[in-house]
Amino acid sequence: QITLKESGPTLVKPTQTLRLTCDVSGVSLKNTGEAVGWIRQASGGALEWLAMMFWNDEGRYSPSLHSRLSVAEGAARQQVVLVLTNMGFDDAGTYFCAHTGPFFAFDAWGQGAVVTVSS
Amino acid sequence: QSALTQPASVSGSPGQTIAISCSGTNGDIGAFNFVSWYQQSPGKAPKLIISDVFKRPPGVSGRFSGSKSGNTASLTISGLRPEDEAHYSCSSFTTSGLLVFGGGTWLTVL
Repeated sequence: QITLKESGPTLVKPTQTLRLTCDVSGVSLKNTGEAVGWIRQASGGALEWLAMMFWNDEGRYSPSLHSRLSVAEGAARQQVVLVLTNMGFDDAGTYFCAHTGPFFAFDAWGQGAVVTVSS
Repeated sequence: QSALTQPASVSGSPGQTIAISCSGTNGDIGAFNFVSWYQQSPGKAPKLIISDVFKRPPGVSGRFSGSKSGNTASLTISGLRPEDEAHYSCSSFTTSGLLVFGGGTWLTVL
């Protein structure tokens, strides 16, 4: 069974950088074809795909946020870190990490991390 | 890339069959058979119910089915039950190697 869990700050100030960590268990992220994605959802809003990190450390990003986003392997082997710079009020919401194969069908999700942006 | 287009809401009575559409372009839905559907209850994480247009993951009820025609995908739920009331979102792989979600549809079971 694949499980994921997000962790990070619940409150950030405008212009600050958000750093979220996703801990993954039940699968090796270095197996060919494995990937972890980041998706966010504003309160009452639609799901928005942010980024993806593949088994070969390749990252792909939403075009609308590409200049502010990065994903990388965390300090621990089964971790994926999302970094979003220059946070604004419209970046508030729930941030999910999820597991997928190469074509972006997310078959396991974390519980979500709620992020508030406030000065 | 633009979001896929879904109706904001649909409704049906218990036992009925409903369909939710998801419209895209030649650059996403029309290009590949990599359309997924997710069910999400308030305050919960989404759950994958359909992948690759029509494939049901283990444990997902056979009352859920998916299809595609041209640039439009559809999720059909038959034998509607009160517990099906939830938010449903589609997604598609794109020709840019990226992902796009739909705006989501709230299903009300009357």
